[in-house]
This record gives sequence, C-alpha cells and structure tokens, in this order.
Amino acid sequence: DQQVKQNSPSLSVQEGRISILNCDYTNSMFDYFLWYKKYPAEGPTFLISISSIKDKNEDGRFTVFLNKSAKHLSLHIVPSQPGDSAVYFCAAASWNTDKLIFGTGTRLQVFP
Amino acid sequence: DARVTQTPRHKVTEMGQEVTMRCQPILGHNTVFWYRQTMMQGLELLAYFRNRAPLDDSGMPKDRFSAEMPDATLATLKIQPSEPRDSAVYFCASGLALGTSGAGELFFGEGSRLTVL
Repeated sequence: DQQVKQNSPSLSVQEGRISILNCDYTNSMFDYFLWYKKYPAEGPTFLISISSIKDKNEDGRFTVFLNKSAKHLSLHIVPSQPGDSAVYFCAAASWNTDKLIFGTGTRLQVFP
Repeated sequence: DARVTQTPRHKVTEMGQEVTMRCQPILGHNTVFWYRQTMMQGLELLAYFRNRAPLDDSGMPKDRFSAEMPDATLATLKIQPSEPRDSAVYFCASGLALGTSGAGELFFGEGSRLTVL
C-alpha cells in the first residue's frame, strides 16, 4: 500500500522554465512533508520541507505547496537549471512516529 | 564534515550467501533508518531505530532480513540467505527524532549496491 505517491515517473523541462513535481498522500495522519533530491550513485539529500500548519514554504528557487484537503503537495522550481536534473522524492511523516515514508520518485531532466 | 558512512559500496554475491551491510550514523543523531531503493517501490522503508531501540521493522522480510544497532556508532542490516530479488541499493540514513531542532530531515549515506546472482 503506497501511502505516498508520485504518479509522474519522469518530467522534462527546458532550462529557465518552471518545473512542477507533484505528490499525493493517503494517510491523513501525515503532518510533515519533505522533498529530497538524488543524483546517480549518491544518497538522497534534503531539499525543502513543510509542516501541515503551513500551505507554502519557499527557499530560493524552490517552493513547496501543501493542499491538505486534497492530500497533495507540489514542488516548484523556478527557474529550472540543468544542475536540477535528478530524481526527486517526496516524503511524509507524522510527529508522533518520525517514520519517514517516501514516494517512488520523479526523474527531472532540465535541457538547455 | 559529518556524514553517514556505509560499507560496502558494492557487493556481488551468489544466491544463498549471507550479506551484511554496515552503517555509521552521524554522531549525535538518535534515529537510524534502513531503506531499499527499487524501481517499483522507490525508497522502501525496511527498519528504523530510535536511541538504538528498534521501532519498526515491518518493511523487512522477517525470515531472511535482520537489523541491529550493537552500539550508537554502528547499524547493521543482514540478509541470510540472500536471493536475486534482494538485488537493490540499500541506504542508511540518520537524523534527529521529530520534535527536536532540525527534526524530520534525514541524512543519507551513499548506499550499498547489492547484486545477488
């Protein structure tokens, strides 16, 4: 039972444009959400997070939006750069367990 | 530069053999996680520990997998006997339990790529 879903396995975006990566979750107990970026042959690295008391969190070119009623979050990257090409994982947790559940990942390719 | 260290980075073994993967978490972190990366499941949680105590290993095939933390500087994941379907990249990650500063962010090792022939 996949509690965190990333339905788009891949996304291709032109440099300078916006990249939008989507994530859906099913467990209403989740109240903390994170995005990780993974390059080949490396471990995932933390990118940005958001708690359920917010609906938006911004860090430079990266913004995460949370829609609790829809159980949906998205990561916006603007402007996209070739160095952003990687696999992006969405993850969710609830405060009372600290068990972090990851999605299946979306491979982003930013081309010139 | 604090980081999670995993060994071995690569392992090729034959079906039926025992495999042990090791992880040194970041000093001061009190949670340790083992994940397996597969194409179908993404990052699949196998087991995790808080303050060295196992909290959840429901993601592991119990008959062949075992995870332990003999001390605060070492976590192990053992597969015995190994099978071809175990071939994957196994990641260890450490962090601080939720509710503390920086909570929720996990720091991952570079992974152990296992191939079972």
